[in-house]
Amino acid sequence: AQKITQTQPGMFVQEKEAVTLDCTYDTSDPSYGLFWYKQPSSGEMIFLIYQGSYDQQNATEGRYSLNFQKARKSANLVISASQLGDSAMYFCAMGLFNNDMRFGAGTRLTVKP
Amino acid sequence: NAGVTQTPKFQVLKTGQSMTLQCAQDMNHNSMYWYRQDPGMGLRLIYYSASEGTTDKGEVPNGYNVSRLNKREFSLRLESAAPSQTSVYFCASSRSVRHEQFFGPGTRLTVL
Repeated sequence: AQKITQTQPGMFVQEKEAVTLDCTYDTSDPSYGLFWYKQPSSGEMIFLIYQGSYDQQNATEGRYSLNFQKARKSANLVISASQLGDSAMYFCAMGLFNNDMRFGAGTRLTVKP
Repeated sequence: NAGVTQTPKFQVLKTGQSMTLQCAQDMNHNSMYWYRQDPGMGLRLIYYSASEGTTDKGEVPNGYNVSRLNKREFSLRLESAAPSQTSVYFCASSRSVRHEQFFGPGTRLTVL
């Protein structure tokens, strides 16, 4: 079964510190993509970062990096130098070759000043 | 560019009524998606369309139908609304499954 698991319902981080949001996935397909999205309290969905299953290097986008461990089926998001504006829900998602998509339940991140 | 637009933004239905949620994208994307988001949960895929002329069921398709009218438009229809369909509905589009999805602003639907 295709499944995404985010085990941290809520996380707190001090401003300017780094934080890791966990994501594990389950699929038997060899070709898939892993995504992270941010959903602020305003409700829109904002794309952060993408990792393909065949990509050798971990993806990075500015302050966001994806720690991809294929053998462990994990795709953790690392946010460096947290800012107050990073407070939001964060969703991990998996896209399969046939365009099917699965989202995790999300992690609510709160950045403390 | 408008990106992904959805109409309406809000809707209240009575049980048994029908309605169609409209979605359009102006980015020439091949793939389009319909999701629902319930309180405290992630998005669940209802239907998707990998390309114009094709549609496939996602994780929670029961009670819904879709139409990929053309490359730009992908509509979601509730034939006989039920209270369990109260949710926020998001439409999204992407070049392909390997590319980021762009989301619409969502439709908040309440079924009484």
